[in-house]
Amino acid sequence: TQLLEQSPQFLSIQEGENLTVYCNSSSVFSSLQWYRQEPGEGPVLLVTVVTGGEVKKLKRLTFQFGDARKDSSLHITAAQPGDTGLYLCAGGKGGSEKLVFGKGTKLTVNP
Amino acid sequence: NAGVMQNPRHLVRRRGQEARLRCSPVKGHSHVYWYRQLPEEGLKFMVYLQKENIIDESGMPKERFSAEFPKEGPSILRIQQVVRGDSAAYFCASSPPSRAVDTQYFGPGTRLTVL
Repeated sequence: TQLLEQSPQFLSIQEGENLTVYCNSSSVFSSLQWYRQEPGEGPVLLVTVVTGGEVKKLKRLTFQFGDARKDSSLHITAAQPGDTGLYLCAGGKGGSEKLVFGKGTKLTVNP
Repeated sequence: NAGVMQNPRHLVRRRGQEARLRCSPVKGHSHVYWYRQLPEEGLKFMVYLQKENIIDESGMPKERFSAEFPKEGPSILRIQQVVRGDSAAYFCASSPPSRAVDTQYFGPGTRLTVL
């Protein structure tokens, strides 16, 4: 069973601070997805990374896929209360296959 | 959520009843996946279907659970004789027929409560 470990599990910061959350595995994935989920809703796709070492930016969010395609990080610059949510990483093995999810990082950004 | 529709959003059943959860994928998507999320847990894969075919049901409990994706109409996840442990959020995801990566788009989920 491929496992994705996310850290930290909980993170509470003040508006304007920077943060990084991590997604690690001992398995190689062909792609990594990051989702954000709000209470009572489904996961919303933020980004997909597929190439080892790839870096993608989405406004204040920076996503990186590890060189060996076993890990990924999400960095948020100048966090805002609207960034509050559960951040999930999910790994895919290629083709039409299931995603393996981490348990998520619950981020709270206080005004 | 890229147009994946799920209904009902909330479902309450008593032990022993049947639960039917429906999922309409994004228009043009032919791959449907069902996941279950328990409190404080990540999403767990249950089943992967294409039109009229079950491709991978390795995450589906062997008893009481079944899924279908007919040629016409939504995908259905059916839970017979529900028990309290079935209480969870059930999410459907879809993806297009041909794709280079594993991106899946999720619906808002059905929250099942078993009394």
